[in-house]
Amino acid sequence: DVKVTQSSRYLVKRTGEKVFLECVQDMDHENMFWYRQDPGLGLRLIYFSYDVKMKEKGDIPEGYSVSREKKERFSLILESASTNQTSMYLCASWGRAPRVKDGYTFGSGTRLTVV
Amino acid sequence: AQSVTQPDIHITVSEGASLELRCNYSYGATPYLFWYVQSPGQGLQLLLKYFSGDTLVQGIKGFEAEFKRSQSSFNLRKPSVHWSDAAEYFCAVGPVSGGYNKLIFGAGTRLAVHP
Repeated sequence: DVKVTQSSRYLVKRTGEKVFLECVQDMDHENMFWYRQDPGLGLRLIYFSYDVKMKEKGDIPEGYSVSREKKERFSLILESASTNQTSMYLCASWGRAPRVKDGYTFGSGTRLTVV
Repeated sequence: AQSVTQPDIHITVSEGASLELRCNYSYGATPYLFWYVQSPGQGLQLLLKYFSGDTLVQGIKGFEAEFKRSQSSFNLRKPSVHWSDAAEYFCAVGPVSGGYNKLIFGAGTRLAVHP
């Protein structure tokens, strides 16, 4: 019954590494999102995509990029990981009308630690 | 500007007590409204949603919420809290105007349950 899958639950990477976080959904949703979540700061939108090969910056895109080559997959890329990118990363997907009423479906999250 | 406010950052209740979590929004029309719950280390799970019709909506885990247009509120309630309800709760509103489908999330309310 898993609908949004994030490839890793826990990830430890070294400073300066290029990091890929993968998210796959099986609901044929058009919209996909990457958030990071830090204590006291709530959910902050990094990037989102409303269609294949389309991307839009969210509130905190610096230090990140994304890729959406296929409808079901949305990848978040940390070009050169830094310790301040240690966080919980959440992927979500959302359909267009009439499925807008269903709200986001979230993955289980990836807790990334950069050392 | 569209926004969501959850006035309470932390709430502590005793097991068996009633619960009300507040959510206020700013939105130009009747929005879609959602409540999500996040258990520690997990992704967000949809509790309930409102988009039209009966202003009192029922959700999973015994939760309900009431849409009050005059107060721009969508408060979450539960008549008797269980220890397993300890989690973080997020209110969300959308879709955001401007051409793209996305939700705005409140900062969250962390619920602690005392035995």
